[in-house]
Amino acid sequence: NAGVTQTPKFQVLKTGQSMTLQCAQDMNHEYMSWYRQDPGMGLRLIHYSVGAGITDQGEVPNGYNVSRSTTEDFPLRLLSAAPSQTSVYFCASKGGASVGYTFGSGTRLTVV
Amino acid sequence: EDKVVQSPLSLVVHEGDTVTLNCSYEVTNFRSLLWYKQEKKAPTFLFMLTSSGIEKKSGRLSSILDKKELFSILNITATQTGDSAVYLCAVLNTGTASKLTFGTGTRLQVTL
Repeated sequence: NAGVTQTPKFQVLKTGQSMTLQCAQDMNHEYMSWYRQDPGMGLRLIHYSVGAGITDQGEVPNGYNVSRSTTEDFPLRLLSAAPSQTSVYFCASKGGASVGYTFGSGTRLTVV
Repeated sequence: EDKVVQSPLSLVVHEGDTVTLNCSYEVTNFRSLLWYKQEKKAPTFLFMLTSSGIEKKSGRLSSILDKKELFSILNITATQTGDSAVYLCAVLNTGTASKLTFGTGTRLQVTL
């Protein structure tokens, strides 16, 4: 099993550009989430999904969109990149309400 | 708003020392508390605690939860340089959202 796979691992964007961070899991997990991690701020929830076709906003959703058309995939879209979105992004998934999340290896994004 | 506070923010110990990391929380609809270890990449799961007073143990690491006082501790005995990492505490809520709220972490450095 590959677990949770994120691509790309690194990305540099110019302000105003858009892009999609990819996340895929092969564990048939219902729950998937996107977090961003900034120095001194811990991990903050951007968007989450409790199953295919169902998504909702987390703590810091502005500037990001998500969709969940399949159980396996949960892409995160940056609509118009801003320097404030420079961060490390983690995708995570879990199989049920009473278990913990498994994290992908992260995407380091720099917006210049 | 859910809140998770970890202390200390950072500490430096000598190899062989024992350390205790603290996590307190204010969370509505508490389900479980989780500990993760983060080295250079993704957080890796250590423990999930749901019931008060029951110690979870894995090698030199152990953890316990106090649901009355709303805190948890993570103990590491006979520390090794490989224990150097950021330790993250997170709380999982109940309900369909099953969201994870993180503290900012404790950075542990173990020196020779």
